[in-house]
Order: sequence, then structure tokens, then C-alpha cells
Amino acid sequence: NAGVTQTPKFQVLKTGQSMTLQCAQDMNHEYMSWYRQDPGMGLRLIHYSVGAGITDQGEVPNGYNVSRSTTEDFPLRLLSAAPSQTSVYFCASSMTARFNYGYTFGSGTRLTVV
Amino acid sequence: AQTVTQSQPEMSVQEAETVTLSCTYDTSESDYYLFWYKQPPSRQMILVIRQEAYKQQNATENRFSVNFQKAAKSFSLKISDSQLGDAAMYFCAYRRTYSGGGADGLTFGKGTHLIIQP
Repeated sequence: NAGVTQTPKFQVLKTGQSMTLQCAQDMNHEYMSWYRQDPGMGLRLIHYSVGAGITDQGEVPNGYNVSRSTTEDFPLRLLSAAPSQTSVYFCASSMTARFNYGYTFGSGTRLTVV
Repeated sequence: AQTVTQSQPEMSVQEAETVTLSCTYDTSESDYYLFWYKQPPSRQMILVIRQEAYKQQNATENRFSVNFQKAAKSFSLKISDSQLGDAAMYFCAYRRTYSGGGADGLTFGKGTHLIIQP
């Protein structure tokens, strides 16, 4: 029962580099989303997906790209990393967007951009 | 846009006592969901309790209960018989009812750091 798996747990990038944060769930959840957590800011929604092939922007989408080719995977791409993207990133999933079942969160990725 | 406000950046309570964490929110919606999440030092986000706005009865989960005041847009969390394992950041979160046109996610408050004194 893996739940939501995020990799890597920690990452240091140089400004301008690109990378992909991985998120996978094995619960056949329809809904998946990405959040970032900054000190004193709570969590803010970056992008979300209501099913394979369907994605949309959240509150803070700039500088990030997503795709959802399978139900299980929802990777988050940083196209050209900036120090402002230093944060902890969480992936969360839910059985469906239609009813408010609880979200299952991954354990997070701490990203530092230098 | 909805906003969630947690006015207590930090709270401290003696072990075995009761503590209440405050949360207020602003929305023009009449139907929505409210949540409390716990984040221990491990960083894992753990759902503590949730409340449907259309239900007048306050939700309870063992030692955790809420005081939901819809007219006042208030959603406080009461922790009874506090234990050392309750020490964590607590986040209040709001989500509007899914309307079919989109599925915007949770709106979080900035969190309250709960300290348990032994």
C-alpha cells in the first residue's frame, strides 16, 4: 500500500537548470494535484488534473509544467529553475474531484535552487 | 477568491489539557468543505478532521472535534487530552463543492504551530 510516492525527497538545482519532480499513486485516484509550501505561507496549488489527459492551472502555475498521460503518474516539470522556486513540493491525490473525499498527500520534495 | 485565516501562529498547551485552534474563512459560496490537517516534523500532511458545510452537526474524531459556526465563518479545532504526539503544525483548509466546471483544490491557512509541554 504505497499511497502517493514522490521522488526525489531532496534536490539541489542551479539557477536555469530543469528537472522533473515525480509523483505516482497506486490507488486509482482520478484527481491529482501539486502544491508548494513556503515558510509562513501554507500550501498553494500549482497545477491539478481530474483525469488522464486533463490538466489545469492552480494559484501559482508560472514556471511549472505538468502532463498526465496515465492515471497513476503526474510529474511536475521546472523548465528553468529560479531561486524563487526554492520550496517544499507536495503531490496530493483524491478518489474523485466530484465528492470531497480526503486528499492523500505524498511525503514531499524539498527543492533548493542556488 | 476564498481566504483562510489562522490568527495564532503558535500555541502551547500542557500535556493532558485541552487546546483550541482558531480558523476563520471568507467565501461567498453556500456549500463547501472544511478540513484540518496536521503536519508533524516528518513533513507528512495528515487529515485530522473534515466538515461539510451543509451539516449542522460538528464533526468529531476521537480526541479531535470542531466548532463550526457557518454564519460567523469560523471553524475551530479542539484537541482534548493533549498528547506529546499532537505536537505539529496544524493547517485549516477550505474547498468549495465541486461544480463540474473545474476542480480547484484546497485553500490553506498559514498554519498554527502547536507545542505540547510535558
